[in-house]
Amino acid sequence: NAGVTQTPKFRVLKTGQSMTLLCAQDMNHEYMYWYRQDPGMGLRLIHYSVGEGTTAKGEVPDGYNVSRLKKQNFLLGLESAAPSQTSVYFCASSQIAGRRTGELFFGEGSRLTVL
Amino acid sequence: AQKITQTQPGMFVQEKEAVTLDCTYDTSDPSYGLFWYKQPSSGEMIFLIYQGSYDQQNATEGRYSLNFQKARKSANLVISASQLGDSAMYFCAMREGMDTGRRALTFGSGTRLQVQP
Repeated sequence: NAGVTQTPKFRVLKTGQSMTLLCAQDMNHEYMYWYRQDPGMGLRLIHYSVGEGTTAKGEVPDGYNVSRLKKQNFLLGLESAAPSQTSVYFCASSQIAGRRTGELFFGEGSRLTVL
Repeated sequence: AQKITQTQPGMFVQEKEAVTLDCTYDTSDPSYGLFWYKQPSSGEMIFLIYQGSYDQQNATEGRYSLNFQKARKSANLVISASQLGDSAMYFCAMREGMDTGRRALTFGSGTRLQVQP
């Protein structure tokens, strides 16, 4: 009963380092998303994907890249980490249609600190 | 302009009492959906309730109900008979363009609810 799984759960980086967050879902969902959560600002959309091989920019895409090579995986990359990217990152997925018309299923979050 | 506004950064409620968490939204799209999520201190996001813009009745899910006032563009969450386990951050969110197939949600800044014994 995994649902949406994010790895790693915690990571500390130095400014300028690169890293990749991996999101995997086992619900055969078409849509996947990456959000970041900062105090007092709720969740903000970074990038999203409407299907395998597709990606699109969200509200705050600068400094991030994504890839969706397989339907079940959505990767978020930071090429050169900055302290402003210190945040909690959430991956989510959703169906094309459903009773709740697209409820998002979230992973547990990944806490990233950039020093 | 803020798409979703939650004006209450923090709320207190006594155990067993009802509490209303406010949410107002801004959209010109006739087809949209409104969601509430709960985030306990452990950090996970838990879906609570959904209301579609065309739904005639207010949504209810157990102790949760959504007071949907379309003309006022408000979608307040009502929690009845509060429990200590209801202490958490609560987020209101909106999906616009339901007819176009867009799926991403826009979130408000959240309200932290504390239930007191």
